[in-house]
Amino acid sequence: QSALTQPPSASGSPGQSVTISCTGTSSDIGDYNYVSWYQQHPGKAPKLMISEVSQRPSGVPDRFSGSKSGNTASLTVSGLQAEDEADYYCSSYAGSNFYVFGTGTKVTVL
Amino acid sequence: QLQLQESGPGLVKPSETLSLTCTVSGGSISRSSYYWGWIRQPPGKGLEYIGTIYYSGSTYYNPSLKSRVTISVDTSKNQFSLKLSSVTAADTAVYYCARHVWFSHVDYWGQGTLVTVSS
Repeated sequence: QSALTQPPSASGSPGQSVTISCTGTSSDIGDYNYVSWYQQHPGKAPKLMISEVSQRPSGVPDRFSGSKSGNTASLTVSGLQAEDEADYYCSSYAGSNFYVFGTGTKVTVL
Repeated sequence: QLQLQESGPGLVKPSETLSLTCTVSGGSISRSSYYWGWIRQPPGKGLEYIGTIYYSGSTYYNPSLKSRVTISVDTSKNQFSLKLSSVTAADTAVYYCARHVWFSHVDYWGQGTLVTVSS
């Protein structure tokens, strides 16, 4: 089972929007609505930002949104702020009690 | 507030067994609908799912690690543990314990502990 594919980097100026893609297969993203997104600042544990494709946990700003089309999921951060600069990882259930993570995207706020 | 804390040696010799324990506080490990697992992250790299256990003892492992991994649970101590045998330098990573909402996502993470495999 290969890792989900994400772009290595993405960037935007404060106030702009950035969208990160996460490409899998028909055996993971394409087959299940169990895509989640995590934010990780340097030296810290990941933090859940989106679950089940588009559900935002309590406390996560509504600037963060998720979607899915076919085998590709996306995370959009609107109104970029300095504190959004971090690594972002997607994850998907892949059947047979197995999860797969994405390769990770470093978001830079210019 | 639920908290998870990893503990165990930070240095393991090649070919030996890595052993870590996760202590859960602020909630019961026996609560239904939640699973408990391990995820690792090599320095400068991405996240890798290791495996998960339910309080009843049912376990699920990453196929690529299955032959070397054992996850166990001790409900009396509100703890679960990871053993990874025959380690090599490739197993050097920050190891996180986590709570899984099964099929879906990880909603709580430990702070992570760096384990280095070196002689």
